[in-house]
Amino acid sequence: GAGVSQSPSNKVTEKGKDVELRCDPISGHTALYWYRQSLGQGLEFLIYFQGNSAPDKSGLPSDRFSAERTGGSVSTLTIQRTQQEDSAVYLCASRSGGGSDSPLHFGNGTRLTVT
Amino acid sequence: AQSVTQLGSHVSVSEGALVLLRCNYSSSVPPYLFWYVQYPNQGLQLLLKYTTGATLVKGINGFEAEFKKSETSFHLTKPSAHMSDAAEYFCAVSDGGYNKLIFGAGTRLAVHP
Repeated sequence: GAGVSQSPSNKVTEKGKDVELRCDPISGHTALYWYRQSLGQGLEFLIYFQGNSAPDKSGLPSDRFSAERTGGSVSTLTIQRTQQEDSAVYLCASRSGGGSDSPLHFGNGTRLTVT
Repeated sequence: AQSVTQLGSHVSVSEGALVLLRCNYSSSVPPYLFWYVQYPNQGLQLLLKYTTGATLVKGINGFEAEFKKSETSFHLTKPSAHMSDAAEYFCAVSDGGYNKLIFGAGTRLAVHP
């Protein structure tokens, strides 16, 4: 079946512009995560959605970052007034159920470049 | 709060040699532990996981890891490296009662002939 789909795969934007990154999780997966992967920094947790519960936003680096998940499916990560330090690969992952031991399924990411 | 430390951002081994990638974690509750692998230009995929029970877990491609509570470690090993093992490896921890998965900074494994 289809995996986690992210769009666009690449995005180049000018400093100060807003960007929206999209994630389509695997159908039926109730948990959805956003991570940021910067060169040499590993995966930085951003935000986590689980069903209808309030999202865990503890990883968002500033109030320029926000995310929503509509209808328990598609998620959009929005970065306002982009800065050069926002350049990174943004990864989305989903998993079934609420159990911590179920594996995450990752998309291929969106590579964001802020010029 | 949980955290993960991966010792060595780059590891280089010869083909056929032992692979040892180190991971230490910090968790206030019994952890669930994972290793993920990212091949060049691909997404992350699960190698293996520890939740409860047997402390030595086996994963795909001949990799295994041992959970050592006394050392708060979950090192990844493979007896004999293949060229195809060249990739970046990430250790991750989650709170057994909570679902946020925290990743380490990653270790890039190079395998040379």
